[in-house]
Amino acid sequence: GALVYQYPRRTICKSGTSMRMECQAVGFQATSVAWYRQSPQKTFELIALSTVNSAIKYEQNFTQEKFPISHPNLSFSSMTVLNAYLEDRGLYLCGALLGTNTGQLYFGEGSKLTVL
Amino acid sequence: GEKVEQHESTLSVREGDSAVINCTYTDTASSYFPWYKQEAGKSLHFVIDIRSNVDRKQSQRLTVLLDKKAKRFSLHITATQPEDSAIYFCAALRNSNNRIFFGDGTQLVVKP
Repeated sequence: GALVYQYPRRTICKSGTSMRMECQAVGFQATSVAWYRQSPQKTFELIALSTVNSAIKYEQNFTQEKFPISHPNLSFSSMTVLNAYLEDRGLYLCGALLGTNTGQLYFGEGSKLTVL
Repeated sequence: GEKVEQHESTLSVREGDSAVINCTYTDTASSYFPWYKQEAGKSLHFVIDIRSNVDRKQSQRLTVLLDKKAKRFSLHITATQPEDSAIYFCAALRNSNNRIFFGDGTQLVVKP
């Protein structure tokens, strides 16, 4: 079956430092990977959609300078939260899209970021 | 861009009753509507989906209804069980750009 491994599961970092998280698709080819942040209030924000061999598309309020993403192949993607501050805390989820135009996302278990 | 609204923030039902969660969307180009479930401390798990070429889809105790004119879709859970308790998120996707937007979630509590 299709699985998505995401790590680390949780990170505590000092304000101003950075956190990198990785997403590994197993058993299928992730043509696109969507990165989301779930706030403590449980709402989801789409950060960016990364498609192999295409430019990464960031949503409003999210930039490549703050959330650089790498998606070098169909099974791996990573995102870094640079210069993390209190407002960056939350659960970061990667969702790997199975195929094109199918819409079904397989989510990793999430990387919880706590900023001190 | 797309805005998905989920109307019930919490829903409490007795075991065996039915539960209905309603969502609306704004982008008429959205064509795929998945539902996800999040249990406490866990990630999102796919529950059921519906595409815009149909208006109803059923899978065991779950049924999704889609009203494209009203830009509204709903998840119906019959014969609820305590293990159905979770936060349910509706979402909408526009196939042309593969961007999926989520509602704010409905906390479903099924009381024994």
